[in-house]
Parts: sequence; structure tokens; C-alpha cells
Amino acid sequence: AQSVTQLGSHVSVSEGALVLLRCNYSSSVPPHLFWYVQYPNQGLQLLLKYTTGATLVKGINGFEAEFKKSETSFHLTKPSAHMSDAAEYFCAVSDRGTYKYIFGTGTRLKVLA
Amino acid sequence: NAGVTQTPKFQVLKTGQSMTLQCAQDMNHNSMYWYRQDPGMGLRLIYYSASEGTTDKGEVPNGYNVSRLNKREFSLRLESAAPSQTSVYFCASSRDRGHGYTFGSGTRLTVV
Repeated sequence: AQSVTQLGSHVSVSEGALVLLRCNYSSSVPPHLFWYVQYPNQGLQLLLKYTTGATLVKGINGFEAEFKKSETSFHLTKPSAHMSDAAEYFCAVSDRGTYKYIFGTGTRLKVLA
Repeated sequence: NAGVTQTPKFQVLKTGQSMTLQCAQDMNHNSMYWYRQDPGMGLRLIYYSASEGTTDKGEVPNGYNVSRLNKREFSLRLESAAPSQTSVYFCASSRDRGHGYTFGSGTRLTVV
């Protein structure tokens, strides 16, 4: 069965520093891949997605992610962290042809002034 | 604003009580989903409806039932609430497979 692993339940970066949040999936067939952000007491908001085509995907708020088949990874990056990026981030995968998404356990990003 | 609307936002139940969580979307999406979110466990799928007229079990369906009332509405029912069902419940919708979800703002449920 498909699974997804987010390394690091908590990540702290300084304002202006690089943000790197890690996500690995288990399927041998490239799935659909997503990153969502959740601010306190809110629902999840789609940041970006990979379904097919270009492996470097750009999303909202300056985030991007690169699909690497050989590493079964879809890590989320942002060149320069802003205080407003503090939130919880979820990676999600779905096997092609299915409706079900599997979510990672989340990474809480803290941005230090 | 277009999106997914969930009601109620907060609810406290006593063990054994029943209730229905309501969800409606106005984006003409085909698929709808119910997830629960618990600390350290991410989101787990309870039930989903791929299209109007169909429903299927997800990862954690025990203790829940759903109804896809029409294309817009997808309700989640707890017949006999248990403390283990204390959680935040999210409804989501999607245009089709491979498209991202649009989430509602959640229902925080406490069962005492």
C-alpha cells in the first residue's frame, strides 16, 4: 500500500534562510504528489501539486518542489523564509487511478526572527 | 465566497449521543471526502464519494456513516459517539482524480 513519510515533525529556520521540508513516498509507480499548508485553526490549503510533466513545480507563496523518481522524493523548498510561513505543512500522495489521498503526519515550521 | 462549508464549527457530545456533520461545496466538484485529524497522525480518510450516488470506505470508517445527498452535499454521521472520536473533522472536495482538494475549515468535536 502507498505510504508517505515526512522527515522531521518540527523544523526551525531563521527568517531569510532556506526552507527545506522533506517528503518521501513508497510507490514504485510515480503517483500524484501534493503539498498543503495549514495555518492555526484553519483547513488545509493546496500549495502545489505534481501530476505529470516538469519535475520542478512552482506553487503559491514562493514555494516549489522537485519530483525525483530515483529518490522517491518530493521535497518542498523556499529560498528565503518569511515569518508568515510559520504553519504546518503536509505532503500527500495518491496512486494514479484512485480517489484516495494518503497524507503524511505533517511538519510544523517555525520561523525565528 | 466559493468553497467548502462545514457545520457546525464546534460540538461537544456525551458518549452515546449521535450527530451529523454537514458539508456543502459550491464548485461543482465531483468527489467529496471526510477526514479526521489527530495530533501526530496527519489526516486519515474516513469515507469518500467519488461521484454523486457512490460512497466508499476509507482508512478509518468504523463508527461512522455517510450520505451523499446530492452533488453539493456530503454528510458524516456518528451514530453512537465515543471518546475515541474526539478529533477535528475536515470535509474536502475535488474536481476529479489527480486534482488537489479544497478543504473546509473543520469541525472540532469533543466526546466526553
